[in-house]
This record gives sequence, structure tokens and C-alpha cells, in this order.
Amino acid sequence: DTVLTQSPALAVSPGERVTISCRASESVSTLMHWYQQKPGQQPKLLIYLASHLESGVPARFSGSGSGTDFTLTIDPVEADDTATYYCQQSWNDPFTFGSGTKLEIK
Amino acid sequence: EVQLVESGGGLVQPGRSLKLSCLASGFTFSNYGMNWIRQAPGKGLEWVASISSSSSYIYYADTVKGRFTISRDNAKNTLYLQMTSLRSEDTALYYCASTHIAAMRYWGQGVMVTVSS
Repeated sequence: DTVLTQSPALAVSPGERVTISCRASESVSTLMHWYQQKPGQQPKLLIYLASHLESGVPARFSGSGSGTDFTLTIDPVEADDTATYYCQQSWNDPFTFGSGTKLEIK
Repeated sequence: EVQLVESGGGLVQPGRSLKLSCLASGFTFSNYGMNWIRQAPGKGLEWVASISSSSSYIYYADTVKGRFTISRDNAKNTLYLQMTSLRSEDTALYYCASTHIAAMRYWGQGVMVTVSS
């Protein structure tokens, strides 16, 4: 199975730039996607195919990477960005999720 | 407006069965792949199963293979998950989500399944 490794937590101040990483145990080409989940809500798609911004998502969010190393960047961070962020790959069966990165805004 | 509404959850004893449904509206259901994803209380997301638009391709997580069956009825705009031989570790909030350009674009609110005696 393709294991996706994310750092468990980050804390940043409003206005700063934050990067959330996701490393795959094997290549997933560019079939990597990013989701935001706020407490008590369903996940929301932010970035698809590694770097494509989902419609309606603020341009403060961006994604990059290919192969095994991917990054979600939020610049600048706002208080409303407090959430857990998950990466997910759809290149290899099974279609795994990362364990999530909990972002705290100080 | 796109809506995905899950139903069929509840409390069930270990070893028993349960069938979840997901009713879709606001998009052409028959054109898109669909997925089930679950989230145990306080835990992360776990992909469970996927089915292509015409049911030609079906995939399962190893943790549910042989026990769960994903299916769809395009005439009824409905996705299903038949769950058998349920275990305590299957306790989770189950989401359905639609696949658009390989990603899970639209998600339901989720339905809770609790496996306990």
C-alpha cells in the first residue's frame, strides 16, 4: 500500500506562510489531492492533481509536487484556516489518505 | 446545488450486517465514480471503497475486502455499501463522496455506524 506521511501538527501566526508536506512511499505521479476538515464538518477539497486549485477556494492556497513529495502552502494564513489537512492519492490501489496535519493559528 | 445524503447507519452488534445508502442530487450521478470513506471517532480519514460510473471498476481497502460490497443504482441516483461481519473497529462516521478529475470533490455529511454489543 502507498503510505502517505504528514507531520502531525503545526502552529503559526496569522499573516505567516505555512507549508504542509506529504511524502508518499512510492510514486503517485501527480494524482495527489488535498482536503481541509474543520471540527464537526465533512472534508472539503482544496487542491486536486497536486497543483490545481478547486473552484471557490481562496488563492491563498496552493499545491505543488510530483512523484513522492508534495506540499500544500497557505500564504498568508488566516484564523479561519484552523483545521486538519489531509493529503490523498488516487494513483495506486488502495487510494490512501495521509494521517492529517492539524494546523493551529496562534 | 450538489447534495449527497447518507442514511442507514445505527447501532449494530458485532457479526451483524448493515446497508448504507447515499442519495445524490444536483449533478449527473451516472457520469461519476463514487466512494465511501470513514472516520473513526477522533481519528483520521480512511478510504473504504470506490466504484466507477458504470460499476465496471470496484476497489476495496484491505480492511474491508470480503466483508463490504459497494454498489450503485444509476437510475435511482444512489450509492450503497453493504457491510457484513461487522467488527468493533468498523465503528466510524461513513461519508460518501463523488470523484471528479480523480479527486473527491463533493462529500456528504456522513452517517454514524456503531458496532457494539
